[in-house]
Amino acid sequence: DAGITQSPRYKITETGRQVTLMCHQTWSHSYMFWYRQDLGHGLRLIYYSAAADITDKGEVPDGYVVSRSKTENFPLTLESATRSQTSVYFCASSPEETQYFGPGTRLLVL
Amino acid sequence: RKEVEQDPGPFNVPEGATVAFNCTYSNSASQSFFWYRQDCRKEPKLLMSVYSSGNEDGRFTAQLNRVSQYISLLIRDSKLSDSATYLCVVGSYNTDKLIFGTGTRLQVFP
Repeated sequence: DAGITQSPRYKITETGRQVTLMCHQTWSHSYMFWYRQDLGHGLRLIYYSAAADITDKGEVPDGYVVSRSKTENFPLTLESATRSQTSVYFCASSPEETQYFGPGTRLLVL
Repeated sequence: RKEVEQDPGPFNVPEGATVAFNCTYSNSASQSFFWYRQDCRKEPKLLMSVYSSGNEDGRFTAQLNRVSQYISLLIRDSKLSDSATYLCVVGSYNTDKLIFGTGTRLQVFP
């Protein structure tokens, strides 16, 4: 009965390192999304996926990479972390319009 | 201009009060509308969808005005547990993406 989970929940890394944030959902929802949430900006879409092997850019995709080899997983990779990527990252999944969010990952880039 | 705009608040109201939030959206092609609730340091959760005819869920009433392009949320008989940030969310026709407002913060005091 996990629904949608994210790991790690907290991460501290250094500038230039590669970081992967994991997202896993048990509902078999077709759509999955990655957002970042920062003060003053609200939730901004990074990448989304309509199905396995189908991904598309959102509003702020630069510096991020995603993949979706299986319906249930949608990892987000920061190829070379920068301080501006310090944020709270939320994954969401959706069967159609309503989106259900994971608990978030708080990332600090030093 | 932001696609979805909300008054950030905070709205500080006593228990039992009625409080209303408004939200405006810029894309006239928007077709789906929601209110999400987000507690401090938690993920957003769907509060209710918003329909053209208006809809009610217990103490919560949502209204949509397509002509003026705004959405409202009315909370009656406020409870301490209603303290949260309320996110206005808009989706466009035939897209899988939702646009989130930055949220309106509500604080209910005893």
